[in-house]
Amino acid sequence: EAGVTQFPSHSVIEKGQTVTLRCDPISGHDNLYWYRRVMGKEIKFLLHFVKESKQDESGMPNNRFLAERTGGTYSTLKVQPAELEDSGVYFCASSPLSRLNTEAFFGQGTRLTVV
Amino acid sequence: GEDVEQSLFLSVREGDSSVINCTYTDSSSTYLYWYKQEPGAGLQLLTYIFSNMDMKQDQRLTVLLNKKDKHLSLRIADTQTGDSAIYFCAERTGGSYIPTFGRGTSLIVHP
Repeated sequence: EAGVTQFPSHSVIEKGQTVTLRCDPISGHDNLYWYRRVMGKEIKFLLHFVKESKQDESGMPNNRFLAERTGGTYSTLKVQPAELEDSGVYFCASSPLSRLNTEAFFGQGTRLTVV
Repeated sequence: GEDVEQSLFLSVREGDSSVINCTYTDSSSTYLYWYKQEPGAGLQLLTYIFSNMDMKQDQRLTVLLNKKDKHLSLRIADTQTGDSAIYFCAERTGGSYIPTFGRGTSLIVHP
């Protein structure tokens, strides 16, 4: 069974450009989460989807970040326009809906560098 | 202060034991986790402990929980070079899907 996959693994863009990160959760997992780790800092929660609905987006830093999960399958996270402080590793995770007491499975992350 | 705190670096000699410490602030934490991130890889759940437990052992790994002091530790016996990675402590309450992570401790194992 495939795990959580994220594309691209690395992205280097200039300040002001747009970048779209993609996450494919484990098949059948209704919960999908986005996290971000800025270099040397903690892994911070960004938002949580249940199927196609945003359950909790309290961690989204500002309106330059837009997450979607059309159809409740894969999710995209768009940063537009990107700023230097957006650099970091963006992790996606998924978990089944029916079991609250289970851990989430994480992807390998997308390393975003804004120059 | 941060909700979950850990030291940033730990250096040990191969064959020695490693102890990575973590403190957290939420007294209602129900699940406490240790994740491992190897270079270029994603986060891998290493082990976890429920808040009603004091200790959990799994092969070379021992997790100790002091709930009164909100202190969690991960001991790796006979540390190997393959254990070099970043170790993240995380906690979650029973009513939430969302764990809160620490900054991660970089474990460096040298010969």
